[in-house]
Amino acid sequence: GQSLEQPSEVTAVEGAIVQINCTYQTSGFYGLSWYQQHDGGAPTFLSYNALDGLEETGRFSSFLSRSDSYGYLLLQELQMKDSASYFCAVRDPLTGGGNKLTFGTGTQLKVEL
Amino acid sequence: GAVVSQHPSRVICKSGTSVKIECRSLDFQATTMFWYRQFPKQSLMLMATSNEGSKATYEQGVEKDKFLINHASLTLSTLTVTSAHPEDSSFYICSARDPGQNTEAFFGQGTRLTVV
Repeated sequence: GQSLEQPSEVTAVEGAIVQINCTYQTSGFYGLSWYQQHDGGAPTFLSYNALDGLEETGRFSSFLSRSDSYGYLLLQELQMKDSASYFCAVRDPLTGGGNKLTFGTGTQLKVEL
Repeated sequence: GAVVSQHPSRVICKSGTSVKIECRSLDFQATTMFWYRQFPKQSLMLMATSNEGSKATYEQGVEKDKFLINHASLTLSTLTVTSAHPEDSSFYICSARDPGQNTEAFFGQGTRLTVV
C-alpha cells in the first residue's frame, strides 16, 4: 500500500520561507508531486520530482531523496495568497496505467502579516 | 493546459435520492479517470478508477453498488451516488491525465454534495 505523511499545519509570516515535508512508504514509486488546494477549490499542480534533487519553479522548489523516501516543498517570499492546503502525492506505476495518485495527509499553511 | 470540467459544482439532494456527477476532459482523450472524495480538513481519498469501455476499479471499502461509475466515451466519466444518505455529503473530485503531458494530473472543479 501507499502511505504519505505530512505535518498537519504550518504557520509563517509574509515574506518568509517555509518548508513542508513529506515522508512516504509505497509499494511502487513513479515520482513525487505537489499540489496546492485552496478552500473549496480543486487541487492544482505545483511541482514534480522523478529523480533525486531540487526542482525550482519560481517561488516554489521541491526536493526528493528516494533513498530516504523523503521530499519537501519549499515556498519562498511567502504571500497571503499562499495560504492553502498542500499535498504531496505519489504515482503508482502498477495500477491505473501508471496514473493513479495517492495523496499525503496534507498540510494547511497559514500565512500571517 | 489541459482542462477537466466537472458538473455540477454544488448539489443538494434529499436522502434516498440519486445524484449524477459528470467529469469531462475538454481537450484531450482520457482512457482513465479517477474519482476522489474529500471530507473537510482531510486529504483526497481515491474512490475508484474509471476505465473507458470497461468496469471501474474500486478501492477497498468503496461500495460499487452505491457509487456507480460509467466511462462511456474517451472524454466523459460519470459518478452516480445512489440512495444518498447524509454521511455521503462530501466534496467529490475527478481527475485525469493528458497522455501528452507525463507529469501533471488535472482536476475538475469538484462537486460539493449535501444530502439532507
